Amino acid sequence: GENVEQHPSTLSVQEGDSAVIKCTYSDSASNYFPWYKQELGKRPQLIIDIRSNVGEKKDQRIAVTLNKTAKHFSLHITETQPEDSAVYFCAASSPNTGNQFYFGTGTSLTVIP
Amino acid sequence: DTAVSQTPKYLVTQMGNDKSIKCEQNLGHDTMYWYKQDSKKFLKIMFSYNNKELIINETVPNRFSPKSPDKAHLNLHINSLELGDSAVYFCASRPRGGNSPLHFGNGTRLTVT
Repeated sequence: GENVEQHPSTLSVQEGDSAVIKCTYSDSASNYFPWYKQELGKRPQLIIDIRSNVGEKKDQRIAVTLNKTAKHFSLHITETQPEDSAVYFCAASSPNTGNQFYFGTGTSLTVIP
Repeated sequence: DTAVSQTPKYLVTQMGNDKSIKCEQNLGHDTMYWYKQDSKKFLKIMFSYNNKELIINETVPNRFSPKSPDKAHLNLHINSLELGDSAVYFCASRPRGGNSPLHFGNGTRLTVT
């Protein structure tokens, strides 16, 4: 099955700085890569996703980049704010495994005011 | 008008008991899932159902049994609860096919004493 690795496991940044979280995947047929944000005690919620026919996608302060050759994708958050503090999960989905989601191990982001 | 709803929100029980968690989605999605999130925040898939047919069953003890009376419901029954079953259990759903995000319920925090 798919193997998704995520780094770093924890990340602290000053308010206003940028944060970058990186993921790698093993199944070259994976074609859908969502990112989820999970605040303490709440459910994971989709913040952005990217499909394999696109190299980059932006939504205000959030962007995701995908390098299919290297099999890695990254989440970029600019101008971080304290409310960005949460656990972020990447995931990959492949038709080889019935489009099941395989999640990374999560990154706990803390934005220091 | 919660899209994916699960009950109960909290469940405290003793070892050896049998318990159930219910999940319903009103999104018209074809596939529903159960995920387990342990204390380290890892999101691990347990089951998925596609049109009432079990299509994935990861290495989950057979004390756990999913039951889907129709495509809008996927309940989780757990027999002979053990201490290690303590976790947050998330129900999720998505449309058939790839390239679409998971929608999570609010989670059920199970504590086995």
